[in-house]
This record gives sequence, C-alpha cells and structure tokens, in this order.
Amino acid sequence: EDKVVQSPLSLVVHEGDTVTLNCSYEVTNFRSLLWYKQEKKAPTFLFMLTSSGIEKKSGRLSSILDKKELFSILNITATQTGDSAIYLCAVSLRSGGSNYKLTFGKGTLLTVNP
Amino acid sequence: GAVVSQHPSRVICKSGTSVKIECRSLDFQATTMFWYRQFPKQSLMLMATSNEGSKATYEQGVEKDKFLINHASLTLSTLTVTSAHPEDSSFYICSASGGLAGGIYTDTQYFGPGTRLTVL
Repeated sequence: EDKVVQSPLSLVVHEGDTVTLNCSYEVTNFRSLLWYKQEKKAPTFLFMLTSSGIEKKSGRLSSILDKKELFSILNITATQTGDSAIYLCAVSLRSGGSNYKLTFGKGTLLTVNP
Repeated sequence: GAVVSQHPSRVICKSGTSVKIECRSLDFQATTMFWYRQFPKQSLMLMATSNEGSKATYEQGVEKDKFLINHASLTLSTLTVTSAHPEDSSFYICSASGGLAGGIYTDTQYFGPGTRLTVL
C-alpha cells in the first residue's frame, strides 16, 4: 500500500522562527512529490520536486527531495502569522498508461503566533 | 495562470435529492480532472480521475452510481451526488491538470476552492 507520512502533525512557533516540515514516502511508481498549502479552502500549489538534491525556492519557502532516502523537507524561514496553515505533502504515482494520481499525507498544521 | 473554479461553493440539500458540482479550468485546458473528498481535520481522499471524453476511473470503495462524473470538455467536469444522504455531507474539491506542458507531461494539480455539501 502506498504511504505518505508527514511530521510533525502540528507545530506552534513564534513569528520569526524557522520551521522544517518533513514528508517521507513508501510508494510504487513514483513520479514526483508536491507540496501544497491549505488555509480555509482548497490547497494552493507550492512546489513540485522530481529530482534529488535540487532545492526549489520561493521567497521564504524552500524544499528539497531525497529519492534515495525517500523523503522531502519544506523549510519556512522568518515565519509570519500568514504562514499559519496546513501544509500537505503529496506524491504523484503512475496509475496506468499516462495517468497518474496524488496520494496525500495527513498534513502538518502550522500555527505561527505573533 | 492555472486557475480552477468550482460552483457552487456551498450547497445545502434535502436527503434524497441530487446535487451537481461544476469544476472549470479557467485559463488552461485540463486533460485530466480529479475529484477529492475531505472530512474535517483529515487529508484529501481521491474519489475519481476523469480524462476528457472518457469514463472516469473510480477509487476503490467509491460508488460509481452514486457519484456520477462527467468530463465533457477540456475545461469542465461535473460531479453529481445522486440521492444524497447526510453521510455524503463533506467538502468536495476538484483539481485539474494540464497534461502536456512544454513537451513534458506535468503532474501538477491545481485545485478549485471546494464545495461544502450539507445534506439534511
């Protein structure tokens, strides 16, 4: 069975702190790993990672994938209250032909206090 | 770019009625659309995958006759919850993928804002 495990499940920090969110996976037919941010509604896309060791960066957020150890991390530096959200990790798997599907982890609930 | 809309955002219906939810990709052609369900404090659970012009592929445990999916065009997919019951109350989210981008298939899914269904 394909598994995506995120840790921690929840995290409370103060503004300005740096956080690291973890995602490990055990899947067959791995294609890519994606990070999403979910606030009150549906998830918004952050990063897609396909190659090991190449950091993707967007402002204060960055992410990297290790395909040998089967995990990814999402870093957020100088956190702000607006970073408070659920961060979802998803692995894209081939599901037959050219089709694929995402398997999601349970998410990490990040709360940034002023 | 990559904007996906859903309509309605919220619907309340009586038990036994059917509800249709629309998912549209506004600025790209979605060769594949996905329907998810999310319960409170839980992650997204994939219900089905639909490719334009063909039948949807349902995940194990999802009733095809209850959750009818139609993907009639490259910008529109619909989910109809037939004979809805209170246990169908949930947050339904669609996502769309553009398939071919720059000669490489992309698996990035862009999500709609979701539809909150409440069945009384």
